[in-house]
Amino acid sequence: GAVVSQHPSRVICKSGTSVKIECRSLDFQATTMFWYRQFPKKSLMLMATSNEGSKATYEQGVEKDKFLINHASLTLSTLTVTSAHPEDSSFYICSARGDTHRLTYEQYFGPGTRLTVT
Amino acid sequence: AQSVTQLGSHVSVSEGALVLLRCNYSSSVPPYLFWYVQYPNQGLQLLLKYTTGATLVKGINGFEAEFKKSETSFHLTKPSAHMSDAAEYFCAVSEGNYGQNFVFGPGTRLSVLP
Repeated sequence: GAVVSQHPSRVICKSGTSVKIECRSLDFQATTMFWYRQFPKKSLMLMATSNEGSKATYEQGVEKDKFLINHASLTLSTLTVTSAHPEDSSFYICSARGDTHRLTYEQYFGPGTRLTVT
Repeated sequence: AQSVTQLGSHVSVSEGALVLLRCNYSSSVPPYLFWYVQYPNQGLQLLLKYTTGATLVKGINGFEAEFKKSETSFHLTKPSAHMSDAAEYFCAVSEGNYGQNFVFGPGTRLSVLP
């Protein structure tokens, strides 16, 4: 149980285009999902917290107009990188916290999406 | 605000040797503590977690960790390393009472030598 998927696993796009990454909780409902960014050989940096039916909360320094987050259902959150630039190339990981897991604050992580902007 | 430090960005051990990965945290409230493992180009897999109760926590793949409040530590150990243990390991803290965000440590890369 508690499986989180991400799609696509790998994407290459041209500079100036937009890319959408999906994060799905497959066997549980997740009111809250999180988006992280990981640079090579670095730790995970929280970008934003996504809550179903409301606006995402972005961490300081993260451009909300560039990284659009939509949490339209209890099992799906999307991250859209708009007008992508090479410096946006990174490994993006989402996680979901099931409503039944809120007391333990456990997050279940997706497999990640490797974005390369050329 | 909470924070996590991991001593040693890279640890090498011989196959069959003891694995010890260090994690120290700071938190203004009782913490929830986690260890995750990440294989190349993959997401994070939970090894074990401490929330409340017993301070020695056993996880998957033979790993265990002990919460020591007096030392603000949550070191990860495994008695005998396998080649398959080679990966990146992250310690994370979440403020248990009302915090929902994880703060990850910088990670420790474990190499296992034959």
